[in-house]
Amino acid sequence: GENVEQHPSTLSVQEGDSAVIKCTYSDSASNYFPWYKQELGKRPQLIIDIRSNVGEKKDQRIAVTLNKTAKHFSLHITETQPEDSAVYFCAASSKTSYDKVIFGPGTSLSVIP
Amino acid sequence: EAGVVQSPRYKIIEKKQPVAFWCNPISGHNTLYWYRQNLGQGPELLIRYENEEAVDDSQLPKDRFSAERLKGVDSTLKIQPAELGDSAVYLCASGVADTQYFGPGTRLTVL
Repeated sequence: GENVEQHPSTLSVQEGDSAVIKCTYSDSASNYFPWYKQELGKRPQLIIDIRSNVGEKKDQRIAVTLNKTAKHFSLHITETQPEDSAVYFCAASSKTSYDKVIFGPGTSLSVIP
Repeated sequence: EAGVVQSPRYKIIEKKQPVAFWCNPISGHNTLYWYRQNLGQGPELLIRYENEEAVDDSQLPKDRFSAERLKGVDSTLKIQPAELGDSAVYLCASGVADTQYFGPGTRLTVL
């Protein structure tokens, strides 16, 4: 079955700097890659997603890139702000597993003012 | 538009007691998921429904866990009897196709 790895497990950046979180997946049939942000004690919130027919997607300060050949995808946050501090989860799913979404272990991002 | 609703938000019980969680998905979402999230980890799927049919319950510990979604809308997840290791946040999510939206979760503490 699918296995999703995520790095780093913790990340600290200065306010205004960029943050990059990287994930790898094992199932070459995976075709949907969402990213969730979870603040302490709150629900995971979908912040951006990408499908396998595109290589990059942007939404204001966040962007996701996908390399299908290498089976990895990354989240990029530019001009980080303290409110970006949270745990970020990547995930992957495929039609061959009936859209079952497998989550990575998470990255705890701290943005230092 | 209302989001996924879950209740209760918090539950503290003693081991061997039963407990039930309730979820109301976003209107129009046919797919409903129950996840368990342990501290410091990502959500792990317990069961997934398409309307009232459980299409993936391979990760549900069936000796003590049960779930139902009788009319294809609301769902309940039950644990009987609860064990210490069941302490976690139980998240419900609903969606269309593979896009999911999570509820606030129920934080279960088993003493």
